[in-house]
Amino acid sequence: EVQLVESGGGLVQTGRSLRLSCTASGFTFRDYALSWVRQAPGRGLEWVAFIRSKTYTGTTEYAASVEGRFTISRDDSKSIAYLQMNSLKTEDTALYYCTRAPRLSIGATRYYFDYWGQGALVTVSS
Amino acid sequence: EIVMTQSPATLSVSLGERATLSCRASQSVSSDLAWYQQKPGQAPRLLIYGASTRATGIPARFSGSGSGAEFTLTISSLQSEDFALYYCLQYNNWPPWTFGQGTKVDIK
Repeated sequence: EVQLVESGGGLVQTGRSLRLSCTASGFTFRDYALSWVRQAPGRGLEWVAFIRSKTYTGTTEYAASVEGRFTISRDDSKSIAYLQMNSLKTEDTALYYCTRAPRLSIGATRYYFDYWGQGALVTVSS
Repeated sequence: EIVMTQSPATLSVSLGERATLSCRASQSVSSDLAWYQQKPGQAPRLLIYGASTRATGIPARFSGSGSGAEFTLTISSLQSEDFALYYCLQYNNWPPWTFGQGTKVDIK
C-alpha cells in the first residue's frame, strides 16, 4: 500500500525557517518524482515544489510564490522527501501535502499527482 | 500559466441524481487533466487522470470526458459518500501545475 506521511509542521514566526519531511513506503521511492502541494485554510490547492527522480536528473521546479525561499530535496536511501522553508511569510500558512508524481513519457514528458499524504500544518504568525 | 476555471462553485444534487461538473482551461491542455475528490479533513483523492481514465479503485459511477480546453466530470448516481469538493488539475503545461478553484457538491 502506498503511504506518504508528512511531519515537521508547526507554528513559526515570520522570517523564520521550518523543514517538512515526507516519509514514503509501499513503492520504489527512487523511481518516482515527488511534489508538495499546499492548501491555505478554507482555500483551494496550490502547487509549491517538484523534484524529479535521479534517473531523470533529480532537478527541481518551484512556484513563483516560493522560488528562492523554499528548497525541495530527497534522500532515496531513506525514502524521504524534504521541503526546507526559509523566510516564511504569513501567506505561507497552509496544510502542506506531499504527493507522488508518476511520469508520463508518451509524447512530451508530463507528471500528475496520484497519491497524497495527510498533510502537515504550517502556521506562520507575525 | 494556464488558468483552470471550474463551474459551478456549488452544485446541489439529490441522492441518486446525476451530477455534472465542468472544468475549463485558458488554453488547450490536450487530455492532460485530472480530477480529485476532497472530503472535509481529508487529503485529495485521485479520481480521474488522462481526462477519462479512472484511478485504481474508483467506482464506475465516476466518469470523465473532454479534451483540449473543456472537461466534464460526471457522477452518474450520487451516493452519500460523494458529497465533497472536487478539483481539476492540468499537467500539460508545467511548471506550474494549476488547479481549478473547486466545485462543492452538496445535498439538495
